[in-house]
This record gives sequence, C-alpha cells and structure tokens, in this order.
Amino acid sequence: AQTVTQSQPEMSVQEAETVTLSCTYDTSESDYYLFWYKQPPSRQMILVIRQEAYKQQNATENRFSVNFQKAAKSFSLKISDSQLGDAAMYFCAYRTYGGSQGNLIFGKGTKLSVKP
Amino acid sequence: DVKVTQSSRYLVKRTGEKVFLECVQDMDHENMFWYRQDPGLGLRLIYFSYDVKMKEKGDIPEGYSVSREKKERFSLILESASTNQTSMYLCASSPGTVSSYNEQFFGPGTRLTVL
Repeated sequence: AQTVTQSQPEMSVQEAETVTLSCTYDTSESDYYLFWYKQPPSRQMILVIRQEAYKQQNATENRFSVNFQKAAKSFSLKISDSQLGDAAMYFCAYRTYGGSQGNLIFGKGTKLSVKP
Repeated sequence: DVKVTQSSRYLVKRTGEKVFLECVQDMDHENMFWYRQDPGLGLRLIYFSYDVKMKEKGDIPEGYSVSREKKERFSLILESASTNQTSMYLCASSPGTVSSYNEQFFGPGTRLTVL
C-alpha cells in the first residue's frame, strides 16, 4: 500500500523569505500523480500544484515550485517570497495513475506560519 | 468555478443520535468522497462513490454509511453518533475522466461535535 510522509508537523518562515516543505512517499508503482494542497485557517482546501511522475520537469505555479526526485521518492514544495496569506496547513497527496476514481492518499500535513 | 457545498459548517449532536451530513457539487462530477480530518492524522478516507447508487469503503468506514441517490449529492450518515466521531468532515468531488489529473475539489468542511 502506498504511504505519504510529511516529517515536519510545523514550519515557520519570515515574510518574503523562502521555505521548503518536505514530503516522501512509498510506492511500487512507476506512474502516479503527486499533489500539494493548501488549507488556510477556516477556509476550503485548494490545490496548489501537481506533478505527473513520468514528467522529469519539476512543476511550477508562480511562487510555488516542487523538487520531484523520483528515485528518492521525494516531493518537496518550495514557496518563494512568502506572503502572510501563505499561512496554512499544507498536505502532500499521492494518486495512482490511470483509473477514473481518483482516490488520494494524504500525508498528515505541515502547518506553515508566516512571520511579518 | 467548481463549487462543493456542505449543509452545515458547525454541528453539535448528542451521543446516540442519527446524524446526516450533506454534500452537493455543481460540476457534474462522477466521483465524490467523504474524509475525516483530525489533528496529527491528516485526512482519512471514509467512503467514496464513483457513480449514483455506487459506494466503496475507504480506510475508516466503521460507524458510517453513505447514500448517493443523485449524482450531485453525497450524504454521510452516522447511524448512532459517538464521542469519538467528533471531528472535521470534508467532502470532495472529482471528474471521472480517465487519464486526467482527477483533481479533487473540496467543500468547506463540517465541524461535528458529539457530546
């Protein structure tokens, strides 16, 4: 069975600085999807960024980028120029490639605080 | 924009009560999910449905049941609520297209307290 591990329960970053959130996963599959979701306090969970395992190029969405190391089964999220609005719980998630049912396996989350 | 709505943001019930949590999505998605979110445990899948009247157990189905009579609506039922079911419940939906990302869209959550 696949597992997702986020080893940092809490992180803190100064506004305008860069922070990296760690995520490792365990799978025997060769094709899959990886996601980072953000859950702001008292607000809805939203997708931040996604990566297909067969793509070597790391995904980027504005100030958010990932470092995908397939051999190491690592999928870290880098937030550049951190803003107060980035404060949230961040969840790493895994999904098997193919099939239409889309079950996600989530890590336990990292709570990110942003200091002004 | 995809919209997933949940019937209540906060709910307080008593032990032994039957509890219904409702979720509605407006994007004609085939797949719908119920998760439970607890501090330090992340999100755990309770049940999911990939079609009307179809359901599959997730990781923690004990004490819960679900109903999907219409494509847009997915209900979570606690037959006899217990204090250990006090939690945040999140509903999500995703399209059923094969080979797509099948991104899940989440509702705002229902914080249930069982006294």
